[in-house]
Amino acid sequence: GAGVSQSPSNKVTEKGKDVELRCDPISGHTALYWYRQSLGQGLEFLIYFQGNSAPDKSGLPSDRFSAERTGGSVSTLTIQRTQQEDSAVYLCASTRQWDYGYTFGSGTRLTVV
Amino acid sequence: AQKVTQAQTEISVVEKEDVTLDCVYETRDTTYYLFWYKQPPSGELVFLIRRNSFDEQNEISGRYSWNFQKSTSSFNFTITASQVVDSAVYFCALSEDETSGSRLTFGEGTQLTVNP
Repeated sequence: GAGVSQSPSNKVTEKGKDVELRCDPISGHTALYWYRQSLGQGLEFLIYFQGNSAPDKSGLPSDRFSAERTGGSVSTLTIQRTQQEDSAVYLCASTRQWDYGYTFGSGTRLTVV
Repeated sequence: AQKVTQAQTEISVVEKEDVTLDCVYETRDTTYYLFWYKQPPSGELVFLIRRNSFDEQNEISGRYSWNFQKSTSSFNFTITASQVVDSAVYFCALSEDETSGSRLTFGEGTQLTVNP
């Protein structure tokens, strides 16, 4: 597609439930990133996928968070047993080359009640 | 470890004023890239500029200009003759050498409000 697509755009879930957030990167972009933006905060790196290499998971805040990227394209970020502190906007970005201007999606606003 | 500091949390100006957004960074690498992104109320981050560590020339794009000074580890962003549509949160970001995974380290952002 023309841009990075994220779904859903908004998600309200009950504490303790699992959620899945989806990212469709720009076709041909080999690198994909997930970031989290909490209310009034900057952007926090979560995970990075580059081609067929093992992902860099060093930013994931706990073992309740996981992500996968299938076929080098679509990525899913899963949060298990959601907590209120998980409420944030989750942003996905992709890039064709590491030093290009990353293209961000519109994000998924997650609210845990 | 890398760090980006945007000391100005909020700036409010009147339309047509010039405004400068400050960005100071820390890195141990000699090769790195600096970015500015705009986040309007719609929420999507919009790429504005990328500058590598070996190119200290200032850049101008329309009403936007950027001043990169390695001596002070700063990469400031100036909007000339600001407009209401410039109202947004602006983020400065740093990306280090490719071997570190090229993640972006963001500053906390500066909320710019341009009043008519």
